[in-house]
Amino acid sequence: GQQLNQSPQSMFIQEGEDVSMNCTSSSIFNTWLWYKQEPGEGPVLLIALYKAGELTSNGRLTAQFGITRKDSFLNISASIPSDVGIYFCAGRKETSGSRLTFGEGTQLTVNP
Amino acid sequence: KAGVTQTPRYLIKTRGQQVTLSCSPISGHRSVSWYQQTPGQGLQFLFEYFSETQRNKGNFPGRFSGRQFSNSRSEMNVSTLELGDSALYLCASSLTVRETQYFGPGTRLLVL
Repeated sequence: GQQLNQSPQSMFIQEGEDVSMNCTSSSIFNTWLWYKQEPGEGPVLLIALYKAGELTSNGRLTAQFGITRKDSFLNISASIPSDVGIYFCAGRKETSGSRLTFGEGTQLTVNP
Repeated sequence: KAGVTQTPRYLIKTRGQQVTLSCSPISGHRSVSWYQQTPGQGLQFLFEYFSETQRNKGNFPGRFSGRQFSNSRSEMNVSTLELGDSALYLCASSLTVRETQYFGPGTRLLVL
C-alpha cells in the first residue's frame, strides 16, 4: 500500500545531540501527525499539525507542516536516553476520513 | 480518562482458524480504525467505523472484517488464518472521523 517516504531509516546519536527526521509524499495531506512507538506498545501521538506552514512544539520536540502540504519534519533537541524508539510520520487526506498513511519509521538510538 | 484498550494482548492461532479481536475506544470517541503492523509492510490501514457503519476500507482480502457496536466498541475478525496474518493489530479512536487518532497497545497475533 501507499506509504510516505520517511528518512532516515535509523539514527545512532549521542545523548545531548539534536535529531531531525522528515517525511515526503507525492500526494497532498491535510493533516500531518508524528507518533513514537516503543517495543510492545502502540504508537503514541507526539505532535499534530493541521495547517500548511504550521510549526508546533511539544517540549523538546518541534514539527512543521510543509508549505506544499507534501512534507513534514520533526526535530528533537538535546536528546536523552528515553527518546529511544521508532518515530512515525502519518498523513491524513481530507477525502479519506480517519484513514492514516504512515511512513516506514525512523529507529532512534541514543547512546548515554 | 482511560486510553484505548485492546483485548487480548497476545494470541496464538493455527492456520485455518479464525480470530476475533476487541477494541474499546476512549470514552466519547465514536470513530474507530484498525491497522495491521508488520516488519515488511509497516502500518497498513484495515478499516474505519463511525456510528456502527464502515466508512472506509483498506486493501485487504474479505477474510478481514469488522463491526462497531452502539457503544462504539469495535471488533475485527480474521477468518481462515494464514501465516502472513501474523502481525500487531492496532486499534485507534478519535472523536469524529476528522479528529486526531489515539492508538491502543495492540494485539500481537501469531499464526502457526
